[in-house]
Amino acid sequence: AQSVTQPDIHITVSEGASLELRCNYSYGATPYLFWYVQSPGQGLQLLLKYFSGDTLVQGIKGFEAEFKRSQSSFNLRKPSVHWSDAAEYFCAVGARGQNFVFGPGTRLSVLP
Amino acid sequence: DTAVSQTPKYLVTQMGNDKSIKCEQNLGHDTMYWYKQDSKKFLKIMFSYNNKELIINETVPNRFSPKSPDKAHLNLHINSLELGDSAVYFCASSQASGRGSSYNEQFFGPGTRLTVL
Repeated sequence: AQSVTQPDIHITVSEGASLELRCNYSYGATPYLFWYVQSPGQGLQLLLKYFSGDTLVQGIKGFEAEFKRSQSSFNLRKPSVHWSDAAEYFCAVGARGQNFVFGPGTRLSVLP
Repeated sequence: DTAVSQTPKYLVTQMGNDKSIKCEQNLGHDTMYWYKQDSKKFLKIMFSYNNKELIINETVPNRFSPKSPDKAHLNLHINSLELGDSAVYFCASSQASGRGSSYNEQFFGPGTRLTVL
């Protein structure tokens, strides 16, 4: 069965600084990878997804993620964080015939 | 135009009661899901429902029963509520086919915060 780990429970960055959120997955076949963001009191919004092709994918709100098969990783990045990016970020893995598995989430705090 | 909607947004009830949460999607998707998010923000799938087939997560107590009157609705009924049922419940939908297929992204509702006293 697939699994997802997000090693960082909580990350704090200053506004304008760069950001990288880590995600590692375990799955025997080709996974479908997703990053979702959950703002306080809100539902989950899809930031980006990877199915195949170019391993660097662009998403909404200036986020990007890179799929590295050799490292079983799908890290999320943003070059310059805005205060409105403070939220909970979830990495998820899916596969044909399997349900989504979400990582435990990383809470991002942004300092002014 | 809300894609996935849930009602109610907040639900406070006494232990032992029976309650329902409603979910509707207007995206024309054929697969819908229920997730539970605990106090530590951990998300776990409870059910997925694809037109004809309900996939039940074995760890979900049988006090929880999803009901789908049609493709656009998947309601969650909970019997004999317990303190441990307090959580945020999210409905989601996706355009997928087949048993639990999840290769398309899921669209989430705003969540229902259930508090059992």
